[in-house]
Amino acid sequence: DIQMTQSPSSLSASVGDRVTITCRASQGIRNYLAWYQQKPGKVPKLLIYGASTLQSGVPSRFSGSGSGTDFTLTISSLQPEDVATYYCQKYNNVFLTFGGGTKVEIK
Amino acid sequence: QVLLVESGGGVVQPGRSLRLSCAASGFSFSNYAMHWVRQAPGKGLEWVAVISYDGSSKYYGDSVKGRFTISRDNSKNTLYLQMNSLRAEDTAVYYCARDEVSSPSEYFQHWGQGTLVTVSS
Repeated sequence: DIQMTQSPSSLSASVGDRVTITCRASQGIRNYLAWYQQKPGKVPKLLIYGASTLQSGVPSRFSGSGSGTDFTLTISSLQPEDVATYYCQKYNNVFLTFGGGTKVEIK
Repeated sequence: QVLLVESGGGVVQPGRSLRLSCAASGFSFSNYAMHWVRQAPGKGLEWVAVISYDGSSKYYGDSVKGRFTISRDNSKNTLYLQMNSLRAEDTAVYYCARDEVSSPSEYFQHWGQGTLVTVSS
């Protein structure tokens, strides 16, 4: 089974900071990776699919990159409304796996 | 718009069974694979199971294989999850989610609001 490892598990940054979250797959998954944002008490929201394609309606300060085993979600300028937990998810085959999540807070 | 509404959650004793339902509307249900994803209290997301658009293919996560059964009734636009031999570690909010394709699997733009299952004596 392919494992998805996110780092860090949590971070605290100031408004306006550039934030980077990493997701590593234990085997290559090409670009079959999605990112989700989950705010407290809410349903997960799709941000990015295909490793780098921004879902419609998602602010352009979010971006994704990577291929193979190493992927990155970047928030170019952190906003207060970005406080949430972020999850990566691989979908290179029928068996889906989520990363453990990264909790983002405002310093 | 796409709407997914789960029901059937509640408190159940260990070893007992429970069936969850997910009523779908706002799209052609029979054209899409459907999934169940769960989230234990304070924990991350865990994929549970998927069923293809026509019900011919079903796949499960290791933690529920042999105990849970996913099914669908396209005439009723409804997805189901039959959960047997429930354990304390099955306690979670269960979400149904629509795939982006007819055969598994991709990612989820559409999620239900979730239904809480608590396994406790």
